[in-house]
Amino acid sequence: NAGVTQTPKFRVLKTGQSMTLLCAQDMNHEYMYWYRQDPGMGLRLIHYSVGEGTTAKGEVPDGYNVSRLKKQNFLLGLESAAPSQTSVYFCASSDRLAGGGKTDTQYFGPGTRLTVL
Amino acid sequence: RKEVEQDPGPFNVPEGATVAFNCTYSNSASQSFFWYRQDCRKEPKLLMSVYSSGNEDGRFTAQLNRASQYISLLIRDSKLSDSATYLCVVNKAGNEKLTFGTGTRLTIIP
Repeated sequence: NAGVTQTPKFRVLKTGQSMTLLCAQDMNHEYMYWYRQDPGMGLRLIHYSVGEGTTAKGEVPDGYNVSRLKKQNFLLGLESAAPSQTSVYFCASSDRLAGGGKTDTQYFGPGTRLTVL
Repeated sequence: RKEVEQDPGPFNVPEGATVAFNCTYSNSASQSFFWYRQDCRKEPKLLMSVYSSGNEDGRFTAQLNRASQYISLLIRDSKLSDSATYLCVVNKAGNEKLTFGTGTRLTIIP
């Protein structure tokens, strides 16, 4: 099993450009998450999904959109990149515990380092 | 007040020493607790879950104190390879989201 994979690993954008980050997991997990990590800020949740076809906003959703058309994939889009979106982006997935509505351990992808000039 | 608070460190500890970190959480409805480890420029990885009765995994011991709303991580006989940032993570009952602390940086000195 590859676990959680992310593409690309690195990217440099100019202000105003758009891009999509792809996350894929092969563990048949129900839940998927996108975080950003900045120095001194810790991990902050951008958007998440509790199942195929569903998405929800996290702590810092502005400037980002997501889609979960297939259970194994979770896409993060930046429509018009800004320098404030320079960060390391991590995708994670987890399974639903028995009893429903409660998440188990999250497994993270290797991250995407994005620089917006 | 932050939902999860940790001492950011850095903790610089000689090899072989014992080191302990604490983490406090603000929501008394929190149900699940974890310690994650993050190496420099890598993704976070689960180190261990924290159970009410406390649990041990080799040189690592985790404790939970619900009354005072804190969890702790103890590392005995520290190794150079223990150098990393340790993240305290909390989940509320019935919640699909985890809340991460900002992490405590540990450096083991030869």
